[in-house]
Amino acid sequence: ELKVEQNPLFLSMQEGKNYTIYCNYSTTSDRLYWYRQDPGKSLESLFVLLSNGAVKQEGRLMASLDTKARLSTLHITAAVHDLSATYFCAVDNAGNMLTFGGGTRLMVKP
Amino acid sequence: DAGITQSPRHKVTETGTPVTLRCHQTENHRYMYWYRQDPGHGLRLIHYSYGVKDTDKGEVSDGYSVSRSKTEDFLLTLESATSSQTSVYFCAISVLGEAFFGQGTRLTVV
Repeated sequence: ELKVEQNPLFLSMQEGKNYTIYCNYSTTSDRLYWYRQDPGKSLESLFVLLSNGAVKQEGRLMASLDTKARLSTLHITAAVHDLSATYFCAVDNAGNMLTFGGGTRLMVKP
Repeated sequence: DAGITQSPRHKVTETGTPVTLRCHQTENHRYMYWYRQDPGHGLRLIHYSYGVKDTDKGEVSDGYSVSRSKTEDFLLTLESATSSQTSVYFCAISVLGEAFFGQGTRLTVV
């Protein structure tokens, strides 16, 4: 059974600081996704990582995938308040089947 | 906008009553999913469908049934609602393995 763990579960950081969210998963997969969710809203796709060593960047967010370590990271550079949200990673279990991590709630303080 | 509409968006129902949630898509995608989201649990898969009349159970399927008589509609039914089914329900479609979500249905069972 695939298990996906994110840490930390909650992250409070100051604007301008850098930090990394980690996503570990338990079985082999080379397809991983990151989503963002604002309070009371749906999930919005951020990144699609489809191979070992994949790196994607969008603004202050950068995601990477290490399939050998079964680890993905979401790095935040010089955080701003607008990045406050909950971030989820999801791993493709058996083709067209995603298992989600528990989410990381990010709060960026001025 | 992935063309996914959920209805109703909010519902309050009494314990023991049947409830049906509807998910409608406009683009004829083959795979459709129902997830529930609860604090501390992330998103958990209830049921999914890989075509008309082709459905299967997910991680937390007890107490739920689904039907898909047309490509565009995927229905989730709670046969006899319980308080433990109070949750936010998300429908999703899969496009090349990436999930796109509807706006969610907030269901409260009193």
